[in-house]
Amino acid sequence: DVKVTQSSRYLVKRTGEKVFLECVQDMDHENMFWYRQDPGLGLRLIYFSYDVKMKEKGDIPEGYSVSREKKERFSLILESASTNQTSMYLCASSATDRGTEAFFGQGTRLTVV
Amino acid sequence: GENVEQHPSTLSVQEGDSAVIKCTYSDSASNYFPWYKQELGKGPQLIIDIRSNVGEKKDQRIAVTLNKTAKHFSLHITETQPEDSAVYFCAASPPNDYKLSFGAGTTVTVRA
Repeated sequence: DVKVTQSSRYLVKRTGEKVFLECVQDMDHENMFWYRQDPGLGLRLIYFSYDVKMKEKGDIPEGYSVSREKKERFSLILESASTNQTSMYLCASSATDRGTEAFFGQGTRLTVV
Repeated sequence: GENVEQHPSTLSVQEGDSAVIKCTYSDSASNYFPWYKQELGKGPQLIIDIRSNVGEKKDQRIAVTLNKTAKHFSLHITETQPEDSAVYFCAASPPNDYKLSFGAGTTVTVRA
C-alpha cells in the first residue's frame, strides 16, 4: 500500500514563527502536492513538485514556500505564521505512469495563535 | 484554470436510500474526474474515477456519470449504509497535468 506520512497530526504555533510541515511518501512517486482544506472551500493547491528540486506555485502560494531535496520528501514552510493560516494541511503524492490518482496523508491540523 | 463547483454542501439520507452529488467544471479540456471520500480524522481516499472516453462507471454500490457536453459529472451511492457517512470531494484534471482541482465537498450523513 502507498503510504504518505505527515510528521504531525496537530500543531500549535505562535504568530510570526517559522513553521515546517514535513511529508514523506514510500512509493517512489514523482509528483507531490500540498493542499489546505477549509470548510466550504474544499482543497486548495498551495504548491506542487513533479521532480526533485522542482517546485511550482499552485492557486494559493502566498505566505508559503516548499522544499524538495529528496524524491520521497516534500516540506511546506510557513515563513512567518499568521492566524489566517490556521487550517488543515494535506500532503499528496502520485506516480507519473499511473495518471492522476493521488494518495493523501492523514493531514496536519495547524493552529496559529 | 479549472473551476469545479459541487452541490449540495450537505446531504442527509435515510439508511437504504440513494445519495447523489453533482459537480460541474469549467475547462472543457479536462478529461479525468475522480471522487474522494474523507472520513473523520483521515485524509481523502479515492473511491472511483472516470475518464472522458467513458460515460458511466460502476463499482458495487457507487457509480459515476459524466456528461462532457454539459461539463458535469455525478456520484451516485445506492443502498446507503452508516459507513457511507463522510465528506465527499469531486475533482477534475486536464490532460498531461497531474494537478487536481477540487470541489468544495459534500458532507453526507446516513441516518440509521
